[in-house]
Amino acid sequence: DQQVKQNSPSLSVQEGRISILNCDYTNSMFDYFLWYKKYPAEGPTFLISISSIKDKNEDGRFTVFLNKSAKHLSLHIVPSQPGDSAVYFCAAKTDSWGKLQFGAGTQVVVTP
Amino acid sequence: EPEVTQTPSHQVTQMGQEVILRCVPISNHLYFYWYRQILGQKVEFLVSFYNNEISEKSEIFDDQFSVERPDGSNFTLKIRSTKLEDSAMYFCASSEETGPGGYTFGSGTRLTVV
Repeated sequence: DQQVKQNSPSLSVQEGRISILNCDYTNSMFDYFLWYKKYPAEGPTFLISISSIKDKNEDGRFTVFLNKSAKHLSLHIVPSQPGDSAVYFCAAKTDSWGKLQFGAGTQVVVTP
Repeated sequence: EPEVTQTPSHQVTQMGQEVILRCVPISNHLYFYWYRQILGQKVEFLVSFYNNEISEKSEIFDDQFSVERPDGSNFTLKIRSTKLEDSAMYFCASSEETGPGGYTFGSGTRLTVV
């Protein structure tokens, strides 16, 4: 079941620069898309989400872009900080309270 | 900030034994979930629970698994007869409302079946 895909297992970025994480999906029935951040030995932490009727949502340093025609979304983190070093998961759901389908995750390392 | 609490943080059990993983969701949340992540793999949905019954379950959630909300605060996942392949991190999550909001996850229970 590969409905949500993150094709980049890792990303290294310098502190202060932009981090861009990508996610592709195949199920056109997804209504909501979410990004989670995960540190080792912790559960995923919700970062930001976007409804399928929008193409952009911004919250502080985090912006999510949705391109429905391409079935693609991205998360931009500007500026990147050392504390942003974590695994980032893209997730999607078809119902407002429904199950989340996760991508495989992207390990982000922010270097000084 | 309210948290989802999971106990124990690590459980080691022998194959064939029953285990109960415990979760205390955020008190005003209405929707409850269990997910798991086998080492090196994706986070996978197991089951969702609302209004004291299962809303949805995955193919993984077979007859060996059950969930319960015994007292209005705890939310448990029971695995009746554990297999080696049940070794994983198990995450409980809860949600207050429907919509685009994310679910709040606990820190997980690492289950090791030997």
